[in-house]
Amino acid sequence: DTAVSQTPKYLVTQMGNDKSIKCEQNLGHDTMYWYKQDSKKFLKIMFSYNNKELIINETVPNRFSPKSPDKAHLNLHINSLELGDSAVYFCASSQTLAARTDTQYFGPGTRLTVL
Amino acid sequence: DAKTTQPNSMESNEEEPVHLPCNHSTISGTDYIHWYRQLPSQGPEYVIHGLTSNVNNRMASLAIAEDRKSSTLILHRATLRDAAVYYCIPRQAGTALIFGKGTTLSVSS
Repeated sequence: DTAVSQTPKYLVTQMGNDKSIKCEQNLGHDTMYWYKQDSKKFLKIMFSYNNKELIINETVPNRFSPKSPDKAHLNLHINSLELGDSAVYFCASSQTLAARTDTQYFGPGTRLTVL
Repeated sequence: DAKTTQPNSMESNEEEPVHLPCNHSTISGTDYIHWYRQLPSQGPEYVIHGLTSNVNNRMASLAIAEDRKSSTLILHRATLRDAAVYYCIPRQAGTALIFGKGTTLSVSS
């Protein structure tokens, strides 16, 4: 069983479109995250949700809107896609955000290409 | 956030031990040191973490300097599958993982 799954794996779209990426975890974790890995392979946190509540919101354009319908799912909706949004987006989960010992589990990533 | 310094790249031969260093001189006294790795075309995966004492698990060992300003991830016998980017991450409570540039490990047969 896949612990953290994301769909789709690849997403190719035109500038200006709206798209969503879905993430699900079956680990029973309370906390979920979205990370972005740019073309230079630099990984950066975007958002974190704990029990469906937004906890971390880094400096991300408001075209990006995360939604957590329940604590096992964290989706990422992106409006008005721009060329600079092209990247690999990783979803992750952990038992809690609070513990320094907490381990995060990552999904396989969604490669978004904006043309 | 504590800053980390890691070599950009390292090379190893299969079956040999690998020592991956990390400097984190600004780490706070309560931050745990986590190591993650990212295999090609995959998401990061957890390797090991520790606070002060050396730690071992099935994947690796973690040696932490007495002053906690540096640590070393030890892969006892490198395999081709260990070729990855290795990230050393001081972990604060209530924060997500802060990734640096990491060390790209190449393993040759």
